[in-house]
Amino acid sequence: SAVISQKPSRDICQRGTSLTIQCQVDSQVTMMFWYRQQPGQSLTLIATANQGSEATYESGFVIDKFPISRPNLTFSTLTVSNMSPEDSSIYLCSAQSSYEQYFGPGTRLTVT
Amino acid sequence: QQPVQSPQAVILREGEDAVINCSSSKALYSVHWYRQKHGEAPVFLMILLKGGEQKGHDKISASFNEKKQQSSLYLTASQLSYSGTYFCGTEDQGSSNTGKLIFGQGTTLQVKP
Repeated sequence: SAVISQKPSRDICQRGTSLTIQCQVDSQVTMMFWYRQQPGQSLTLIATANQGSEATYESGFVIDKFPISRPNLTFSTLTVSNMSPEDSSIYLCSAQSSYEQYFGPGTRLTVT
Repeated sequence: QQPVQSPQAVILREGEDAVINCSSSKALYSVHWYRQKHGEAPVFLMILLKGGEQKGHDKISASFNEKKQQSSLYLTASQLSYSGTYFCGTEDQGSSNTGKLIFGQGTTLQVKP
């Protein structure tokens, strides 16, 4: 299994600003992912964070809005850029180890 | 395309059994099951890879019917701690071994004393 931490756990941001969320895994993993979850809703995959190359984005998500870095096998960041109230959500990172995928505790973002 | 879970919600008494189904329109490579409690991260329960296997631990088990593109999660002799929202996450064969999961809409399970 993998233990995942995220920072910050929550934040309140103003419209037009950007927030960078950090994700740290306690062991080296090949795959890391970023998801978004509206309260009471399901999880939606934003992108796969690839180590050493550009992230792979899902339909509806673009690099300019959600730039992602993955400098090594244990760490990734997601930036939510030029935020609007529609970006208010819970952002979760996950890491895959031996087919099993584990989630971090999430970052609750509120945009005012 | 998002897999469909049924039922959407279920209420049980302690000790009763429940089945949660997850059905996809796509050929599947794997099915992952998670439980999420309010305000917490999803917790990994089990993964089933194509091959029609059944897995389980404690009183929670699951099956995967590759031909029918569906999986079922079985909770037996439910405990209060089983309460939460259960999600299936599917990896279709076109995305095999990419780890890219598409999640169902969730099934809310409430276990009462």
